[in-house]
Amino acid sequence: EPEVTQTPSHQVTQMGQEVILRCVPISNHLYFYWYRQILGQKVEFLVSFYNNEISEKSEIFDDQFSVERPDGSNFTLKIRSTKLEDSAMYFCASRLDSFYGYTFGSGTRLTVV
Amino acid sequence: AQSVSQHNHHVILSEAASLELGCNYSYGGTVNLFWYVQYPGQHLQLLLKYFSGDPLVKGIKGFEAEFIKSKFSFNLRKPSVQWSDTAEYFCAVTVSGGGADGLTFGKGTHLIIQP
Repeated sequence: EPEVTQTPSHQVTQMGQEVILRCVPISNHLYFYWYRQILGQKVEFLVSFYNNEISEKSEIFDDQFSVERPDGSNFTLKIRSTKLEDSAMYFCASRLDSFYGYTFGSGTRLTVV
Repeated sequence: AQSVSQHNHHVILSEAASLELGCNYSYGGTVNLFWYVQYPGQHLQLLLKYFSGDPLVKGIKGFEAEFIKSKFSFNLRKPSVQWSDTAEYFCAVTVSGGGADGLTFGKGTHLIIQP
């Protein structure tokens, strides 16, 4: 069964540093998403991406966040200047179209120290 | 904005017991509803989804859910649980529309099945 792949599985970074989280969505999917889950809290929507541009974003997705699909296969989430409160599990997801469920990756655990 | 409530944060059952996990959403329009499961150390997996049609939907691993529009509910059920059902269960909703809509999740229910 096709999978969404995320790398790395765990990343530790110092506060103020930039991080890039990487995802390879399922190859024929059209919609891509990032979610995050702070420890002990619910999974929260960050952003959706379609046709090479951001479609929707939540209030969490402020100017320190950006997404890119640089080469037609990878889908990245960049956090420019990490803060302690950015520590969370970040999930990538993709979807074929609006009649299908979302397929999630295994997540990247980001720890900001 | 829509929201999702899962009533039980922790549920402990014995094997072969019946399961019902509650989920209510708040949104006045048409919604798409989902249940996801997360086994320890694994990614979120889709159990089942409701878009339209028969409000009783059947998913994988013997799970089913019933959409009751008048109650804004989408409860998950399984007649006889197994030890391997131990996991975190998430109800989620997206408003019916374009594919770019993000999911709104509930806080999850941690289910522990005792052998």
